[in-house]
Amino acid sequence: KAGVTQTPRYLIKTRGQQVTLSCSPISGHRSVSWYQQTPGQGLQFLFEYFSETQRNKGNFPGRFSGRQFSNSRSEMNVSTLELGDSALYLCASSSGQAGATDTQYFGPGTRLTVL
Amino acid sequence: EDQVTQSPEALRLQEGESSSLNCSYTVSGLRGLFWYRQDPGKGPEFLFTLYSAGEEKEKERLKATLTKKESFLHITAPKPEDSATYLCAIPDGGRRALTFGSGTRLQVQP
Repeated sequence: KAGVTQTPRYLIKTRGQQVTLSCSPISGHRSVSWYQQTPGQGLQFLFEYFSETQRNKGNFPGRFSGRQFSNSRSEMNVSTLELGDSALYLCASSSGQAGATDTQYFGPGTRLTVL
Repeated sequence: EDQVTQSPEALRLQEGESSSLNCSYTVSGLRGLFWYRQDPGKGPEFLFTLYSAGEEKEKERLKATLTKKESFLHITAPKPEDSATYLCAIPDGGRRALTFGSGTRLQVQP
């Protein structure tokens, strides 16, 4: 099976702009989670989508949003970018059936740099 | 609040020098513990899931064990290609999210 794919792999934006990142999960997986990884804070949970519905949300401001399509592909959007949004954004897919013990498989990430 | 603490932060080994990485956690009702490997600039790669105290899992030179308070990742006779950051995580059942430790950066020198 093909793994989780994320596009683009690298992005450079300026403060105040907005950005959309895309994630295609493993075939058959219906849950997509997003994480932010920074050197200072490590990996932090953003939100999780299952069957086009946001099931869970982490402690991030409303500038961070996402959605999921009927084919399970997901996008996340960050509006009004700030310097502190520079990070590696990771998407993870899982079956979504086993609850919290579902194994999450990660994509390669999108490296976002905000200037 | 669930917490995951990994030690040491960094570890440098000679090729063939076995060692262990530690992951301690505080959670009310462990639902499982995950180990991942992450290479620079890449996403975490799944290694193991452990569900109950006493459980052990092995893969090549890696063996993961679990007690009621911590997990160990034992690396036997490591090779330079084992160099990576090793992350452990526990599920936050309330949010269906993973809470990660800060990781152990392992460097294996030839």
